[in-house]
Amino acid sequence: AQSVTQLGSHVSVSEGALVLLRCNYSSSVPPYLFWYVQYPNQGLQLLLKYTSAATLVKGINGFEAEFKKSETSFHLTKPSAHMSDAAEYFCAVSRGGGSNYKLTFGKGTLLTVNP
Amino acid sequence: GAGVSQSPRYKVAKRGQDVALRCDPISGHVSLFWYQQALGQGPEFLTYFQNEAQLDKSGLPSDRFFAERPEGSVSTLKIQRTQQEDSAVYLCASSPGTADYGYTFGSGTRLTVV
Repeated sequence: AQSVTQLGSHVSVSEGALVLLRCNYSSSVPPYLFWYVQYPNQGLQLLLKYTSAATLVKGINGFEAEFKKSETSFHLTKPSAHMSDAAEYFCAVSRGGGSNYKLTFGKGTLLTVNP
Repeated sequence: GAGVSQSPRYKVAKRGQDVALRCDPISGHVSLFWYQQALGQGPEFLTYFQNEAQLDKSGLPSDRFFAERPEGSVSTLKIQRTQQEDSAVYLCASSPGTADYGYTFGSGTRLTVV
């Protein structure tokens, strides 16, 4: 079974500051890992994904994440926060390989960006 | 279409009423998923279709929940005899294949049972 823990339900940063959203996973098999963003009253949008290729993954809107197997982590970062980054962010895991249709999500981290 | 379309966007149902939620996936996407998102929580898996075949319904909370995708495109999630605990946002997603492609989510249907 897979599970995801997102540390910090709410993160607040100043505009221009580093964004760091933490995600740790548990998986009995090599995982695929994802970050999704959800703006108010909207569905989830895929930011980036790790599917066993390069461990440093670059996504949209300047976000990136690094898969660290030894730490079972997949933290999301962005060097400089923008006001438009304010949203809820979800980390998700699926099984790697052929049966990887089901995503297990964390509880989410609400990012606030202060001017 | 350009994205995944869900209707209605909002639904208020009286307890005991039946509801039907519709999902129009992206044209050509073979995989379709339903997720339930309770307030303040991450989405939780309900069911998965590959074309018209429902391959996994392990996440459906009870036999009051039923999903179908008869022609391999539009899907309907039906909830019979709604209960207050059914109040949530129901998200539909579609994908060209499995999770590694990345899902495209719709905006969801917010169901409130009163």
